[in-house]
Amino acid sequence: IAGITQAPTSQILAAGRRMTLRCTQDMRHNAMYWYRQDLGLGLRLIHYSNTAGTTGKGEVPDGYSVSRANTDDFPLTLASAVPSQTSVYFCASSPNPGQASYEQYFGPGTRLTVT
Amino acid sequence: AQKVTQAQTEISVVEKEDVTLDCVYETRDTTYYLFWYKQPPSGELVFLIRRNSFDEQNEISGRYSWNFQKSTSSFNFTITASQVVDSAVYFCALSNSGAGSYQLTFGKGTKLSVIP
Repeated sequence: IAGITQAPTSQILAAGRRMTLRCTQDMRHNAMYWYRQDLGLGLRLIHYSNTAGTTGKGEVPDGYSVSRANTDDFPLTLASAVPSQTSVYFCASSPNPGQASYEQYFGPGTRLTVT
Repeated sequence: AQKVTQAQTEISVVEKEDVTLDCVYETRDTTYYLFWYKQPPSGELVFLIRRNSFDEQNEISGRYSWNFQKSTSSFNFTITASQVVDSAVYFCALSNSGAGSYQLTFGKGTKLSVIP
């Protein structure tokens, strides 16, 4: 079934540890995105990628990095996790980054707790 | 800067009641798109509708309807004869149509509880 997969589903992480959240899509979408969802704040964009080999910063990029080596994968790395990064992380994709008319398709999310 | 405001944080209705979820947006763009997403208790985000800034026709899909009014910068969502399965958090979102990447700006969401 086509879609977006994220791993892990949930994780408890000690502060200061490095963590990579994985995201893979099989729809051959050009654009991919990482959001975090916090209670009362909705979804906020962390980083995005228009196409393989390019990335950009969203609204809340500090403390996070991304890479886009190929079309399908868009991992999000927390170099040194802090408790304020406790959140639910959603990966999303859309067919064409230059067309705002396309909806974004979302993965199931990763629930991360930093202690 | 773009902004989406969903003033209703939480709404509770009794099953079969109608309910309207409000969404007000701000943008300087003349061409933009508006979206509604549903997030049920299971957590996934489900796309419901997309509307472009040039199309102010209301849309109806079953029990769901959307009222887009450019004059008041609003894109409200009405559920008719609500059901327990409608219980979810609903997000309104806005994107522009500039070249290159675009970003979805989400409202903070409205949690709808439908009581049997």
